[in-house]
Amino acid sequence: DAGITQSPRYKITETGRQVTLMCHQTWSHSYMFWYRQDLGHGLRLIYYSAAADITDKGEVPDGYVVSRSKTENFPLTLESATRSQTSVYFCASNRDSNTGELFFGEGSRLTVL
Amino acid sequence: GQQLNQSPQSMFIQEGEDVSMNCTSSSIFNTWLWYKQDPGEGPVLLIALYKAGELTSNGRLTAQFGITRKDSFLNISASIPSDVGIYFCAGQPNYGGSQGNLIFGKGTKLSVKP
Repeated sequence: DAGITQSPRYKITETGRQVTLMCHQTWSHSYMFWYRQDLGHGLRLIYYSAAADITDKGEVPDGYVVSRSKTENFPLTLESATRSQTSVYFCASNRDSNTGELFFGEGSRLTVL
Repeated sequence: GQQLNQSPQSMFIQEGEDVSMNCTSSSIFNTWLWYKQDPGEGPVLLIALYKAGELTSNGRLTAQFGITRKDSFLNISASIPSDVGIYFCAGQPNYGGSQGNLIFGKGTKLSVKP
């Protein structure tokens, strides 16, 4: 019963480097999401995906790229990391968008120097 | 965009005390949910509410979906040390088409009184 897993859990990188955060779920849930969590802002949606090959922007998509070639994976890429992207990133999944009941991963803490 | 106002931002609890927090919005929501986040972990769903006026309990937790559909509250009775953490409210907007996303409040941080 693996659920939803994120990797890496911790990452330090430098400004301008490309970073990819991985997210994998074993439930075959249709919907997957990427949030970032920052002090004073709570959880903000970056991108979400309704199914394989279908993605859409959330509240704060700039500087991020996502893909969903397989239902179970939803990687988030920072093509050229900036210091403002230092944050904790959470992946989540949801079987049915109508319920709003999300299952979150444990988070990936990213520091951009 | 839409925002949820969650209060209080933080509070200190003493074991055995009852705790109350709430969330308000200027817009109508279809769904209200409450999540809890422990340090170093992702949020976990506590209670989901789907009908205006609904009152739902989960152990010592009770949450209500406001009649106006613009607010919700969460009560914790007889708090214990493991109740510390950050509690988030979340609302699913009443849009015509399902967007598959939620709007989160900024959280209420529960700590133990020194």
